[in-house]
Amino acid sequence: QVQLQESGPGLVKPSQTLSLTCTVSGGSISSGAYYWSWIRQHPGKGLEWIGYIFYSGNAYYNPSLESRVTISVDTSKNQFSLELTSVTAADTAVYYCARVGGAADYWGQGTLVTVSS
Amino acid sequence: EVVLTQSPGTLSLSPGERATLSCRASQSVYNSYLAWYQQKPGQAPRLLIQGASNRATGIPDRFSGSGSGTDFTLTISRLEPEDFAVYYCHQYGNSPETFGPGTKVDIK
Repeated sequence: QVQLQESGPGLVKPSQTLSLTCTVSGGSISSGAYYWSWIRQHPGKGLEWIGYIFYSGNAYYNPSLESRVTISVDTSKNQFSLELTSVTAADTAVYYCARVGGAADYWGQGTLVTVSS
Repeated sequence: EVVLTQSPGTLSLSPGERATLSCRASQSVYNSYLAWYQQKPGQAPRLLIQGASNRATGIPDRFSGSGSGTDFTLTISRLEPEDFAVYYCHQYGNSPETFGPGTKVDIK
């Protein structure tokens, strides 16, 4: 059974960088059959696709966030990560990592990141 | 960007009733790459349907998806108590991927 777990600070100051890591267990990121995604959900709102990465390191981002987002992968640790720079209160959300083979079939439990001074 | 519109915003039904949820896209979804998810409070979304009509592993057959092009439907044939939740559609055929705003199915 594939499991994903997000980790990282729950509080980030405005203008700083949000950094999260997703650890994958029960399956290998390097299998090549899937890509690995970050999705967020603003409080009480819908879902927003941030971007995804293949094990090779090729990444694709939502154009609305592309100038501030970097997704990276560490196959040796079976992890992938999200960095979002210059955050504002509008980036306060629950951040999910997910395995994607078309649709997102396995999700982490999500982690709330609050942007506040 | 493909904008997804879901209707109704809220659906109030009783257990045992049939639920019909709609998802309309602003342009044709490539290859019917349209998924449906169920989300309960405090939980991550759960994949129900992918490719417009293919149930994900372990999903009961009371859930079914249909549609193509710009119009898609999720049907729950007989609502069970655990089915009361928010349902989102998601298109992954056009970049960027987008989600609908959700339909809440609550108990009448």
